[in-house]
Amino acid sequence: EIVLTQSPGTLSLSPGERATLSCRASQTVTNNYLAWYQQKPGQPPRFLIYGASSRATGIPDRFSGSGSGTDFTLTISRLEPEDFAVYYCQQYGSSPETFGQGTKVEIK
Amino acid sequence: QVQLVQSGSEVKKPGASVKVSCKASGYTFTGYYIHWVRQAPGQGLEWMGWINPNSGGTNYAQKFQGWVTMTRDTSISTVYMELNRLRSDDTAVYYCARGPPEPYQLLWDWGQGTLVTVSS
Repeated sequence: EIVLTQSPGTLSLSPGERATLSCRASQTVTNNYLAWYQQKPGQPPRFLIYGASSRATGIPDRFSGSGSGTDFTLTISRLEPEDFAVYYCQQYGSSPETFGQGTKVEIK
Repeated sequence: QVQLVQSGSEVKKPGASVKVSCKASGYTFTGYYIHWVRQAPGQGLEWMGWINPNSGGTNYAQKFQGWVTMTRDTSISTVYMELNRLRSDDTAVYYCARGPPEPYQLLWDWGQGTLVTVSS
């Protein structure tokens, strides 16, 4: 099983700042099949990124994904108030597919 | 637009079963896989399995094999997830999510979630 470790656990930033979230896999993620989701309190997750770097439909271009192999990054170029949430990475290249434990982006 | 509407909250006793429904609209029901994911209070996401609404075929995470059953009723565009032999640590919000036409575990659109509380 591929273990995904997200860091940091919590990121304290101000609106307008840049957020950089890391997701590290214990083994190579096949075909860079790495996705990112955003979850706000009391809401279901929202699909953001697939294939490590492709934005889902309707996702603003301030969200970008990068990386390959075992190291992946989600970058939010300029934080908007609605971006403060928990972010999860997920690998779907190998069974069992797994999620990271999440990174909380909070208002500083 | 795509909508997945789940059934309401449930309270169950340990050892009981729960069946959660997920009604789909806004797209061709039989064209896309439906996944189930759960989230314990304050915890992360755990994938449980998928169902192919066209064929009825299923694939369950190893942890849930023999314990979960996913079914569908194409006449009403609804999928169901039944979990048996409930324990207190099954208390969680259960989500259905629509994925691609292939069995990749990408979770495009989500239901609102169903809280299942297991308590004596």
